[in-house]
Amino acid sequence: DTAVSQTPKYLVTQMGNDKSIKCEQNLGHDTMYWYKQDSKKFLKIMFSYNNKELIINETVPNRFSPKSPDKAHLNLHINSLELGDSAVYFCASSQKGTLNYGYTFGSGTRLTVV
Amino acid sequence: AQTVTQSQPEMSVQEAETVTLSCTYDTSESDYYLFWYKQPPSRQMILVIRQEAYKQQNATENRFSVNFQKAAKSFSLKISDSQLGDAAMYFCAYRSGGGADGLTFGKGTHLIIQP
Repeated sequence: DTAVSQTPKYLVTQMGNDKSIKCEQNLGHDTMYWYKQDSKKFLKIMFSYNNKELIINETVPNRFSPKSPDKAHLNLHINSLELGDSAVYFCASSQKGTLNYGYTFGSGTRLTVV
Repeated sequence: AQTVTQSQPEMSVQEAETVTLSCTYDTSESDYYLFWYKQPPSRQMILVIRQEAYKQQNATENRFSVNFQKAAKSFSLKISDSQLGDAAMYFCAYRSGGGADGLTFGKGTHLIIQP
């Protein structure tokens, strides 16, 4: 069983479109995250979220929004896609207050905006 | 805000040799955790090793060990007996203690293993 699964693995779309990336974890973790890895491989956190608190990195455009239907899911919605949104997006999870055995990462979604 | 610096964009080592990847960080916190992640071409993020700041003993995991110098805010990764499968991007990362904070990553070091 995959611990953190993301779909789709690849996504090619046109500028201006709205798209979603789904993430599910079966580890029972209470906190989930979205990271963006740019073309230079730099990883930066976008959001951290548990059922009580959403922490947004202030540099993230408001076109990006996380949506969590339940504790095991954190989807990423992106409106009005721009060329600069092309990147690999990683979902991850952890259990708040415990030592990291990690952060468990999904396998990433490569988003290409054309 | 915390920052993590990896000053070596790329390193190369002969198979079976030892290589050390550098990482420094800046923080005003006393409670935190440090990590090294490996990202092979498959792009999967794989935890290599972690270190709790309150522990003086350096962490080791088989061929991987760290040199944690808390006063100097340095956290280097040593890979012994390098293998072809070690070729990957390596990221140093920082996490504040206790919270739901995410990881702050360095920019990564691309490790090449020469056969």
